[in-house]
Amino acid sequence: QSALTQPPSASGTPGQRVTISCSGSSSNIGSNAVYWYQQLPGTAPKLVIYRNNERPSGVPDRFSASKSGTSASLAISGLRPEDEADYYCAVWDASLGGRVLFGGGTKLTVL
Amino acid sequence: QVQLQESGPGLVQPSETLSLTCGVSGYSISDGYYWGWIRQPPGKGLEWIGCIYHGGNTYYNPSLKSRITISVDTSKNQFSLKVNSVTAEDTAVYYCGRVGSGDASHFDYWGQGTLVTVSS
Repeated sequence: QSALTQPPSASGTPGQRVTISCSGSSSNIGSNAVYWYQQLPGTAPKLVIYRNNERPSGVPDRFSASKSGTSASLAISGLRPEDEADYYCAVWDASLGGRVLFGGGTKLTVL
Repeated sequence: QVQLQESGPGLVQPSETLSLTCGVSGYSISDGYYWGWIRQPPGKGLEWIGCIYHGGNTYYNPSLKSRITISVDTSKNQFSLKVNSVTAEDTAVYYCGRVGSGDASHFDYWGQGTLVTVSS
């Protein structure tokens, strides 16, 4: 079980806004930046959010994110069928000498 | 455009050593950044393995530290992963990536991944 907790699934209809949460602790989210990755079926993960709320070039502004305390969330507005994917949060954790933690992943279904 | 490509055997015998190489094009490893490895067991989530700087400084996942070695060869513009004493639990798709300007969680470029199966 991951030290970062994500809901295993989320869903929405085209055009809707969905949010995916990521819950951690003071040693990870509470003190370090959060990153979000999108993994389409059969492909490598792709960075969609870095440093809590910044979007890499080429990522639509429909993707946004925030962090508060020891939790973070990814929001996707104007949901599209191509957004159907697994989404992972990631953060540096200072415990055990330091390590990168990934959340367990959330499978987003576009109904 | 930075591109990464994993290579290595797709099948490894239990108790043997898993060895993978990540070739980098479009950027010289000597110019900076950390370079790392992540794996994903079939049907499961992502697990960080570790990363290395061109000068050789490394960070390893504490849960794997006793069995892994990450090295870099700047002359070939590539870096490598070795996992010793593998078991079926090491069966996974292994990804290499470049660590971006943030911390070690920031992978801005990824390879396509390579499936390694541990089985006799």
